[in-house]
Amino acid sequence: QVHLVESGGGVVRPGGSLRLSCAASGFSFSTSGMHWVRQAPGKGLEWMAFIRFDGSRKYYADSVRGRLTISRDNSKNTLYLQMNSVMGEDTAVYYCAKDENDISGYRLDYWGQGTLVTVSS
Amino acid sequence: DIQLTQSPSSLSASVGDSVTITCRASQSISHYLNWYQQKPGEAPKLLIYSASSLQGGVPSRFSGSGSETDFTLTISSLQPEDFATYYCQQSYSSLWTFGQGTKVEIK
Repeated sequence: QVHLVESGGGVVRPGGSLRLSCAASGFSFSTSGMHWVRQAPGKGLEWMAFIRFDGSRKYYADSVRGRLTISRDNSKNTLYLQMNSVMGEDTAVYYCAKDENDISGYRLDYWGQGTLVTVSS
Repeated sequence: DIQLTQSPSSLSASVGDSVTITCRASQSISHYLNWYQQKPGEAPKLLIYSASSLQGGVPSRFSGSGSETDFTLTISSLQPEDFATYYCQQSYSSLWTFGQGTKVEIK
């Protein structure tokens, strides 16, 4: 079955950097687009970024463009999120999610359990 | 960016009630609207995609409708496990967005 496991979260100082990982299994990772979505404590879901199956296209939310970089290594079935110049508002649980798309459209059909990033001095 | 506005932000209902949540888009998004359920401490779960298609394994008491700018999620007979927060999400634009969420609580 599909399994997505995020890692790399923790406490990071303001202005610092962090790289999150998402290990995928149970599906054809190399033919699937992938997303990062975050959720600040007590708040709603915020879509962050998307990467096509082959890494050829990437899209970012306006709020994080230039500070976050999504990437993938299909040989390792792993998705990444590089976070630079982090700020307090980046404190959140970060989820990776698998994209499913067909003639009906796009959706996030599987999600990981999330990894918590806390920005604090 | 396309904005999604859900209403109500929260509601109280009893087991067996029928509840409806609405999601309004700031511009036409055709049928590119999905619904997710999230329980405390858990990851979101896909319920409905393409406005009205039921994701596999989701009970048939969940249904979705709408197109263009106005969409609804209906739970026909609320069960104890349905008390959760529900989010709509659009995939019309390459910059995906979520609604702010609707919390369904026990009356």
